[in-house]
Amino acid sequence: DAGVTQSPTHLIKTRGQQVTLRCSPKSGHDTVSWYQQALGQGPQFIFQYYEEEERQRGNFPDRFSGHQFPNYSSELNVNALLLGDSALYLCASSPGGPPYEQYFGPGTRLTVT
Amino acid sequence: SQQGEEDPQALSIQEGENATMNCSYKTSINNLQWYRQNSGRGLVHLILIRSNEREKHSGRLRVTLDTSKKSSSLLITASRAADTASYFCATVSTGNQFYFGTGTSLTVIP
Repeated sequence: DAGVTQSPTHLIKTRGQQVTLRCSPKSGHDTVSWYQQALGQGPQFIFQYYEEEERQRGNFPDRFSGHQFPNYSSELNVNALLLGDSALYLCASSPGGPPYEQYFGPGTRLTVT
Repeated sequence: SQQGEEDPQALSIQEGENATMNCSYKTSINNLQWYRQNSGRGLVHLILIRSNEREKHSGRLRVTLDTSKKSSSLLITASRAADTASYFCATVSTGNQFYFGTGTSLTVIP
């Protein structure tokens, strides 16, 4: 049973560009959450998707958007990249319902130059 | 902003010793979870304790929760070099949002 997968592993972009990160949840999970983790910090919640809808959103600007597909996979899009967007982006999946434990992917390391 | 705050920020112990790290939070929670992260990769879930529980055990892990003090502690007994990692607490509210703390970096010296 595959766990949570993310692609790509690493990415280098230039300021002002746009980026799309992808996530496939663990089998049987229908809820996907995205986190941003700056170096030396804890993960910060970006948003959560359930049934193809954004269910919760953290304190992130509209430059951060997402999508969930019918097969529960998800994308995170970031427009007009800033240097401060450089971070590890983590995807986590969980079954729907009560706030159970989350299963995390290995992350995508984004560097903005 | 992050709700949880771990203490200490860094901890270095000898193999075989016990490691204790603490987490404080600010608002009411549904449950509190502890996660481990190795070398800036994905987080691994360790243990979940519900707001109506006071203590929970899993293998060499012991977690306590004091909702009156809004604090939790994670004890790792008989530590091993493989326990070297960053440890995060995550508080979960009824809104189903996870708030992670800043983490404790644990180094276990062989």
